[in-house]
Amino acid sequence: DVKVTQSSRYLVKRTGEKVFLECVQDMDHENMFWYRQDPGLGLRLIYFSYDVKMKEKGDIPEGYSVSREKKERFSLILESASTNQTSMYLCATKGTVPYSNQPQHFGDGTRLSIL
Amino acid sequence: AQSVTQPDIHITVSEGASLELRCNYSYGATPYLFWYVQSPGQGLQLLLKYFSGDTLVQGIKGFEAEFKRSQSSFNLRKPSVHWSDAAEYFCAVGATNAGKSTFGDGTTLTVKP
Repeated sequence: DVKVTQSSRYLVKRTGEKVFLECVQDMDHENMFWYRQDPGLGLRLIYFSYDVKMKEKGDIPEGYSVSREKKERFSLILESASTNQTSMYLCATKGTVPYSNQPQHFGDGTRLSIL
Repeated sequence: AQSVTQPDIHITVSEGASLELRCNYSYGATPYLFWYVQSPGQGLQLLLKYFSGDTLVQGIKGFEAEFKRSQSSFNLRKPSVHWSDAAEYFCAVGATNAGKSTFGDGTTLTVKP
């Protein structure tokens, strides 16, 4: 089974802090994703990465950056946290072998509160 | 551009009753379709997927879904709901470029005793 591990289940930070959310996968998947989930808004894609050091903006990248230095790890960075970034953050991975359209595999999420 | 619509934000059914959750998609080619379930405080878990072939697909936990190209639909069904099925359900359509998927806004299922 694919295991996607997010470093924290709950996190409380203060406005203006630099916040790091970490995601690690054990299945050698090429693609990794960061979403935020808010009531009534579904899942919104922040950033994704299709290879080491490669990244693309999703639908709501403003206020976020990402880092993928190793294939198994994808980090989401809030450069200067604001209260409107309080949300549930979900990491997901997706393989492309032996076929490209596989489902995504999700971590359990990090519930982030910015005070 | 691809899109997914789940018309029902919230559905309530009695335990033991049948269930159908609706999903409509918009996609330019043959879609790759998924249903996921999210229990409170958890990530999303794959229920089932459709790529090609038989339009009725079976998934885990007794769920099934039927792909209807003429209606651009991929509705999720279960003949008899259990209290443990209470969760949020997401329909998604996959794309071939860069592996992204588009998710619907979700349907929250409440199960009455």
